[in-house]
Amino acid sequence: NAGVTQTPKFRVLKTGQSMTLLCAQDMNHEYMYWYRQDPGMGLRLIHYSVGEGTTAKGEVPDGYNVSRLKKQNFLLGLESAAPSQTSVYFCASQRGTEAFFGQGTRLTVV
Amino acid sequence: EDQVTQSPEALRLQEGESSSLNCSYTVSGLRGLFWYRQDPGKGPEFLFTLYSAGEEKEKERLKATLTKKESFLHITAPKPEDSATYLCAVLTGGSNYKLTFGKGTLLTVNP
Repeated sequence: NAGVTQTPKFRVLKTGQSMTLLCAQDMNHEYMYWYRQDPGMGLRLIHYSVGEGTTAKGEVPDGYNVSRLKKQNFLLGLESAAPSQTSVYFCASQRGTEAFFGQGTRLTVV
Repeated sequence: EDQVTQSPEALRLQEGESSSLNCSYTVSGLRGLFWYRQDPGKGPEFLFTLYSAGEEKEKERLKATLTKKESFLHITAPKPEDSATYLCAVLTGGSNYKLTFGKGTLLTVNP
């Protein structure tokens, strides 16, 4: 039972490049989330999903897209990376009101 | 707009020196208040959920309490391994799904 697994753990991108962050959970949770964490800003919700095939915007969705084609996977895409997207990204899945977080992806855009 | 404010931003304690962290909130319809612990380089780890004013939860040296305007995380006789960032979050009546987080309190416990 791995819980919530994020890949990759670290990545450096050049401005304008694209990439996809993968979140996988093995707990059969319906709800999944993508957050970004920046110094002095706390955790902010980017996008979330309440079930397979559904997604919704969170607090800071601009510049990101998501997909939930399978219940266990939630993908976060950056189509054209910008330096402002340098951050640590966390995925979470939720059972009831208890959220389980992955270990994070540290992304640097240069 | 829902707001969650944590204080202090940072707290340094000596081992065995008890203290409290504060989380004050301004929300419309609180459905739950959550405390998480986050170690450097790791994701937040769930500690407690509180649902109504007057409720208390305990786990080892930690005790969380809730009033209508704020929550406290009391740390009794802390040890160096309690050093971490403690995050508070609220789930409000506007959504079944979304948590709003505070910025956290960085706790350092010196031996």
